[in-house]
Amino acid sequence: SQELEQSPQSLIVQEGKNLTINCTSSKTLYGLYWYKQKYGEGLIFLMMLQKGGEEKSHEKITAKLDEKKQQSSLHITASQPSHAGIYLCGAVGFQKLVFGTGTRLLVSP
Amino acid sequence: DGGITQSPKYLFRKEGQNVTLSCEQNLNHDAMYWYRQDPGQGLRLIYYSQIVNDFQKGDIAEGYSVSREKKESFPLTVTSAQKNPTAFYLCASSTPTRYQPQHFGDGTRLSIL
Repeated sequence: SQELEQSPQSLIVQEGKNLTINCTSSKTLYGLYWYKQKYGEGLIFLMMLQKGGEEKSHEKITAKLDEKKQQSSLHITASQPSHAGIYLCGAVGFQKLVFGTGTRLLVSP
Repeated sequence: DGGITQSPKYLFRKEGQNVTLSCEQNLNHDAMYWYRQDPGQGLRLIYYSQIVNDFQKGDIAEGYSVSREKKESFPLTVTSAQKNPTAFYLCASSTPTRYQPQHFGDGTRLSIL
């Protein structure tokens, strides 16, 4: 079965700094979702990547898919307190998604 | 506004008791899903349904049961056979095509008394 490993598991950054979260798959990625979760709440869809080399941006968040490396990265530029939360990647499978374990982000003032 | 409603937000279960978590959606989605989230373990799929009156087991279905009598509703019952039910439960829905994102409810936190 497919497994997704996210790194780092947790991250504390100073407000205004950039950061990157990685998601590595044990199998070929046919598509990947990025979600954000505020503590104790549901998941909010950020973006989906379908093709190798694809890059998408939403406000200050950019995600890329490297099919050869079976990996996706999520980059936040000039982090703000509103970026704090848990970021989860999800791999597209047959009829269902497989999720990573999540990266917990704290942004300090 | 369209969305997914989970209730209750907090639920307590006594030993030997079955409890049912509600999930309702008005997004007209055919597919619905139940996940369990434990600290440090991400989301694990319990059950999913692609169409009314049909559902499939996910990765951790033991001790849980579901029904899908209406398109809008996908309740999850946590039975007494589930020995470690304390967790955060999330319901999601989507159109059943492969590259459509799942939309999530706000979750139900279940604890043991």
